[in-house]
Amino acid sequence: ETGVTQSPTHLIKTRGQQVTLRCSSQSGHNTVSWYQQALGQGPQFIFQYYREEENGRGNFPPRFSGLQFPNYSSELNVNALELDDSALYLCASSARLAVNTGELFFGEGSRLTVL
Amino acid sequence: QKEVEQNSGPLSVPEGAIASLNCTYSDRGSQSFFWYRQYSGKSPELIMFIYSNGDKEDGRFTAQLNKASQYVSLLIRDSQPSDSATYLCAVNMYYGNNRLAFGKGNQVVVIP
Repeated sequence: ETGVTQSPTHLIKTRGQQVTLRCSSQSGHNTVSWYQQALGQGPQFIFQYYREEENGRGNFPPRFSGLQFPNYSSELNVNALELDDSALYLCASSARLAVNTGELFFGEGSRLTVL
Repeated sequence: QKEVEQNSGPLSVPEGAIASLNCTYSDRGSQSFFWYRQYSGKSPELIMFIYSNGDKEDGRFTAQLNKASQYVSLLIRDSQPSDSATYLCAVNMYYGNNRLAFGKGNQVVVIP
């Protein structure tokens, strides 16, 4: 157990709908990153939040957006869902000082299916 | 060209043998390199990180880095059935924000 919790664990949406995924980071971690992992692929970086500000974004369209709250928990929002958005969405927390160790503590993920 | 490439297919090794995994990366300025293990249906977990050229050993795992060739490898000695998992190579390409680029992973199956 990493102490990172994500909800919901599984969900099914239809094309065009919107979804919000939630993440509580490990105690003491002020940095949260979101990754998308399609079946058979490695995780792809979506964006990162540090102290409630976006701190880097991967190659994802603006319909992917996020928030970080004062308690360092975070949300990932995806608008206008497409079939290709079907994937495992992983939240990872880290301590800012761990920036060079790459030690990301992953939650168990939210599996999104878009029909 | 992908940022991080892992091209080998599934790797089957007998119990007790050495499993060898390879990874190449595109950005010559990359500073830090990681191996994550992901069991089926689970999230990735960090098993090794390496910054300097050469070898780094941790128990049965050895990571090897060659920055001139832009190449990272992982050796698993005395492979156990519990090592059966997908191994993800990751590179921190952006100093200061812990943003990792992952390869697609290599599946390892250890046969008892």
